[in-house]
Amino acid sequence: NAGVMQNPRHLVRRRGQEARLRCSPMKGHSHVYWYRQLPEEGLKFMVYLQKENIIDESGMPKERFSAEFPKEGPSILRIQQVVRGDSAAYFCASSPGQGRLGANEKLFFGSGTQLSVL
Amino acid sequence: SQQGEEDPQALSIQEGENATMNCSYKTSINNLQWYRQNSGRGLVHLILIRSNEREKHSGRLRVTLDTSKKSSSLLITASRAADTASYFCATDAKNTNAGKSTFGDGTTLTVKP
Repeated sequence: NAGVMQNPRHLVRRRGQEARLRCSPMKGHSHVYWYRQLPEEGLKFMVYLQKENIIDESGMPKERFSAEFPKEGPSILRIQQVVRGDSAAYFCASSPGQGRLGANEKLFFGSGTQLSVL
Repeated sequence: SQQGEEDPQALSIQEGENATMNCSYKTSINNLQWYRQNSGRGLVHLILIRSNEREKHSGRLRVTLDTSKKSSSLLITASRAADTASYFCATDAKNTNAGKSTFGDGTTLTVKP
């Protein structure tokens, strides 16, 4: 079991381009979470997804950001028309899901994607 | 403001000493977790303590939880240079409709050999 896989590890984009970040959860995990981390800060929750459903996107900026977790394939965090302020480390985490909303579980994190916007 | 705030922001100790980090939070929680992050890497889960527990041990780690003060502490005993990392607490608030965690800004621990 390879764990949570994120790619690319580093992504460089120019202002106005699109960034697509991928996350493959651990085998058997149906819950995916995306977080953003600025230098010397903690992780800020962005979005929580289950297969084909967005459960909580309260941490997502209202514009330019979207996320999906299709039935087949990895979860994608998409940032359109990137700006310099989007530069950050983006982490994905997964959990198996206990079927009970509000119950937290141990999260397994990927190594992150470092997005740099020039 | 941010649920889950660690104190101190940075801690530097000698190998063999104990390191204590504190976390305060604002709302009622289901549980609290501590994570470790090495520079440039993802977070690694260390320990989870539930709201009805007061203390938990795992190897050289000891976590306490005081729900009346809304605070937790992480103690690393007999520290090693390899313990150098950032440590984050994360809370799962009660009455949230999703199993998301809220992280603090972390304590950066440096253990000098």
